[in-house]
Amino acid sequence: NAGVMQNPRHLVRRRGQEARLRCSPMKGHSHVYWYRQLPEEGLKFMVYLQKENIIDESGMPKERFSAEFPKEGPSILRIQQVVRGDSAAYFCASSPQGGAQPQHFGDGTRLSIL
Amino acid sequence: GNSVTQMEGPVTLSEEAFLTINCTYTATGYPSLFWYVQYPGEGLQLLLKATKADDKGSNKGFEATYRKETTSFHLEKGSVQVSDSAVYFCALGDRDDKIIFGKGTRLHILP
Repeated sequence: NAGVMQNPRHLVRRRGQEARLRCSPMKGHSHVYWYRQLPEEGLKFMVYLQKENIIDESGMPKERFSAEFPKEGPSILRIQQVVRGDSAAYFCASSPQGGAQPQHFGDGTRLSIL
Repeated sequence: GNSVTQMEGPVTLSEEAFLTINCTYTATGYPSLFWYVQYPGEGLQLLLKATKADDKGSNKGFEATYRKETTSFHLEKGSVQVSDSAVYFCALGDRDDKIIFGKGTRLHILP
């Protein structure tokens, strides 16, 4: 059973470029969560999605960030016009249902902005 | 709002020492409580959980008890190993489905 798969593991972008981070949840999981981890910090919730629906995006910056979880394919976190402050590790988690069940995490995408 | 506070690290111990990492929380209602562990370069792995007051979660020799009266969920292990070196995160399951994490405690175990 494959776990939560994230790619790429490492992503380098220059300021102003776009970053696309992908997450395939565990088999049978329809709930996807994105978190951001800044250096020496805990994870901060960004967005919670189910297939084709954004359930909670209260942790997403209002500009430049977007997320989707289409009917087919992985969930995508998209950051437009990246800035240095976007450098962080981005983790995806999934669960079979909502309601604060334990979430299973991927290994993360480490985004570096030059 | 809901929050989690855990002891700051790094914590450095010798192998076979007793470990306690303190964690307290602020929450409305009765959240689920978790400890996650993050090994270098990896994602978070669920270490243990407790879903109601007085529950004890345990795994790999680690234990934590959900204490509603003190709003605490301290992590303990009787005899640590070098392989336990990692960052440990205390977390609570918010009623709105997101998980709220503490800042993490880095643990170094010396042989």
